Amino acid sequence: QSALIQPPSASGTPGQRVTVSCSANSSNVEPNSVHWYQHLPGTAPKLLIYGNGNRPSGVPERFSGSKSGTSASLAISGLRSEDEADYYCAAWDNGLRVFGGGTKLTVL
Amino acid sequence: QVQLQQRGAGLLKPSETLSLTCGVFGGSFSAYYWSWVRQPPGKGLEWIGEINHIGGANYNPSLESRVTISVDTSMNQFSLRLTSVTAADTAVYYCASSYEAEFFDAFDLWGQGTVVTVS
Repeated sequence: QSALIQPPSASGTPGQRVTVSCSANSSNVEPNSVHWYQHLPGTAPKLLIYGNGNRPSGVPERFSGSKSGTSASLAISGLRSEDEADYYCAAWDNGLRVFGGGTKLTVL
Repeated sequence: QVQLQQRGAGLLKPSETLSLTCGVFGGSFSAYYWSWVRQPPGKGLEWIGEINHIGGANYNPSLESRVTISVDTSMNQFSLRLTSVTAADTAVYYCASSYEAEFFDAFDLWGQGTVVTVS
């Protein structure tokens, strides 16, 4: 089992706000180091959020990240059909990188 | 624009050695971390390991006995070697890099992915 726990699926309708959680099952996950990736089938993952809540240039403001204690969240507002993808959180655990199990987001 | 370009064999037999190379194009060969990540069919992303800018390597404990990641600065590339492969190593393999310091240690650059099948 991954050190980072994500719900396997999430869904929403266009225009809605959806959140994806990422919980550490140990206290070893380091603060200020949770990143989020968007992965579309057949493509390479894309950095969406870094350092808990920072967006690289080019990532829409609809995407936001936050962290509190040993849990992090990715929020997507104004949901669009092109947001349908797999989302992964990532962090450090005892000096080694770990990914969450991934959340498949479906836009209904 | 800096890009990572992967190359290597995609079809292996059990017990063979997987070898993949990732070249850096369009920019300098300088990054904090050079890493490899894989995704088995129907599963999530799995970190394989990485080598940092001072040559230190870290590996996923589940693969550590079979994995070697190395850097060739003269060729602007880094490589993955995984020995004694089995069907469980069938996956899409990605190289990734924490290239720009502004992104902390996040993977801001990714290769295109290589489908590796062990059969």
